[in-house]
Amino acid sequence: DGGITQSPKYLFRKEGQNVTLSCEQNLNHDAMYWYRQDPGQGLRLIYYSQIVNDFQKGDIAEGYSVSREKKESFPLTVTSAQKNPTAFYLCASKTVTGGRGNIQYFGAGTRLSVL
Amino acid sequence: EDQVTQSPEALRLQEGESSSLNCSYTVSGLRGLFWYRQDPGKGPEFLFTLYSAGEEKEKERLKATLTKKESFLHITAPKPEDSATYLCAVQANDYKLSFGAGTTVTVRA
Repeated sequence: DGGITQSPKYLFRKEGQNVTLSCEQNLNHDAMYWYRQDPGQGLRLIYYSQIVNDFQKGDIAEGYSVSREKKESFPLTVTSAQKNPTAFYLCASKTVTGGRGNIQYFGAGTRLSVL
Repeated sequence: EDQVTQSPEALRLQEGESSSLNCSYTVSGLRGLFWYRQDPGKGPEFLFTLYSAGEEKEKERLKATLTKKESFLHITAPKPEDSATYLCAVQANDYKLSFGAGTTVTVRA
């Protein structure tokens, strides 16, 4: 089945620790995204990538880092500089061809908590 | 800056009681308005895309409409399985979706 796989489903971070969230897609999509979701707020864009080996900061990139070495993979690292990392993290992807807005498809999410 | 406001924040319905959710938006150059459904602890599931004012889309008990300033998601004769959070998002450029905070719908049997 084609889709977006996020792992792990739950993740716990200790003080001062970096953690990495995995996102893999087999939809052959060019663009990939990371969002953060907090209760009562809309999804906020952390980073996005429209092509391999290139990515851009979103609205709340501070304390996060990403890489895009393969088309299928877009891992997100939550660094120790992110002081409030507890949230639900969502990965999405979409094709970039066509003139109209293309649909972003989402993974099942990773819930990150601080120990 | 793009803005998306959804109302109400929460909606409690009796099974069969039809209602509407609102998504008001401010964006320069709308390229698409998207509706998603999100169940607790899961990722958003795509429902509809609307591209221009006057457009309507339907899927089972859901119908989405679009004007130049807002979109409505109408739920006709809802069932308990329609309980979820419904998210609205607008796209104004090639890459970014701006999301509203969502409307949480609870349908009681």
